[in-house]
Amino acid sequence: DSGVTQTPKHLITATGQRVTLRCSPRSGDLSVYWYQQSLDQGLQFLIQYYNGEERAKGNILERFSAQQFPDLHSELNLSSLELGDSALYFCASSVAAGEGNEQFFGPGTRLTVL
Amino acid sequence: AQSVTQLGSHVSVSEGALVLLRCNYSSSVPPYLFWYVQYPNQGLQLLLKYTSAATLVKGINGFEAEFKKSETSFHLTKPSAHMSDAAEYFCAVSDRDSSYKLIFGSGTRLLVRP
Repeated sequence: DSGVTQTPKHLITATGQRVTLRCSPRSGDLSVYWYQQSLDQGLQFLIQYYNGEERAKGNILERFSAQQFPDLHSELNLSSLELGDSALYFCASSVAAGEGNEQFFGPGTRLTVL
Repeated sequence: AQSVTQLGSHVSVSEGALVLLRCNYSSSVPPYLFWYVQYPNQGLQLLLKYTSAATLVKGINGFEAEFKKSETSFHLTKPSAHMSDAAEYFCAVSDRDSSYKLIFGSGTRLLVRP
């Protein structure tokens, strides 16, 4: 158990819908990263938050957004869903946003868009 | 831009045999490198990391990796494979922008034959 929790574990929805994925980082970790894992793209960085503020954006679509709350949990919002958004979404946390800092991964949320 | 390349999407070994999973990196400066393992339907677990303290890095579950600057490699090895080692293995490099996000290789699925 990494100490990072993600809910829900599975999510099945229809095209055009909106979903919210939730992540609680390890106790004491200030940095939260979101990654997408798909068969065709592999593991891709989406976005990072550090202590409530957005730090960096990766290959994140405009239809996707995220935020980190004062209690440091984070939510990833996916809207106008398309079939291609079906993937495993991971949250990871680290103590700080420094090079070499270990990132601890949650179990992921598997999103299926029908 | 930093990147990692994993040679071989699938590696099959017999139980008790040497495990060798290959990873080559591309970086203009000494990188921070990681190996993660993903068991079926689970998140990623850190096996080991290289942060320039020592070229031979020992990790969990009997795995180790050697950083070779001349070959730009960070191959993962284990002297004797167990059935429980069957999983997908990812090599990653810590990016050098402000996020220090992980850039992953495409993964290698390890199959262990009885």
